[in-house]
Amino acid sequence: ETGVTQSPTHLIKTRGQQVTLRCSSQSGHNTVSWYQQALGQGPQFIFQYYREEENGRGNFPPRFSGLQFPNYSSELNVNALELDDSALYLCASSLGGVLNTEAFFGQGTRLTVV
Amino acid sequence: AQSVTQLGSHVSVSEGALVLLRCNYSSSVPPYLFWYVQYPNQGLQLLLKYTTGATLVKGINGFEAEFKKSETSFHLTKPSAHMSDAAEYFCAVSGGTSYGKLTFGQGTILTVHP
Repeated sequence: ETGVTQSPTHLIKTRGQQVTLRCSSQSGHNTVSWYQQALGQGPQFIFQYYREEENGRGNFPPRFSGLQFPNYSSELNVNALELDDSALYLCASSLGGVLNTEAFFGQGTRLTVV
Repeated sequence: AQSVTQLGSHVSVSEGALVLLRCNYSSSVPPYLFWYVQYPNQGLQLLLKYTTGATLVKGINGFEAEFKKSETSFHLTKPSAHMSDAAEYFCAVSGGTSYGKLTFGQGTILTVHP
């Protein structure tokens, strides 16, 4: 079991609402990456935060935003929820700036938009 | 740009039989390659990774994979399947300095029959 924790584990929201998902990174890690895993698909990279700054973004619209805090925990915010946002959201922590680094994943947050 | 193709969305084997899960990648930079396993309603667990050096990589639970640059492949094998190996497996690639920004394949569901 990794030291990456995500909350909540499950969430149901209505289309148009806003949601915040949280991730606590593994001790000693300064980088958090967020992924969206739709049903039956592989995870897709949303964005990464390194030392509180966004460090790369995948092909997701601006209504997907994030934050990283001084303790390296992170939030993923999604505005104006759409039905297609229903997915498992995975957070991964790693040690940025280090070659051969390994990403450790949390258990994920299952978001259902109705 | 990077991409991963996993050949076969479902693979079924008998307990004790060889497991072979296929992965081909595309990368414009020397790749780092990973295999992750996902059990139902859980996050991703790293099985093994290739970064540099020896092309035959051994991982946890008896799995291994061989990096073949000429074939752009990184197939996952296990000599003898166990019931507990039933899960979904994801191949992923990152560029050398991407530090945790992974591009995943679509996944292969492994079923093990008694």
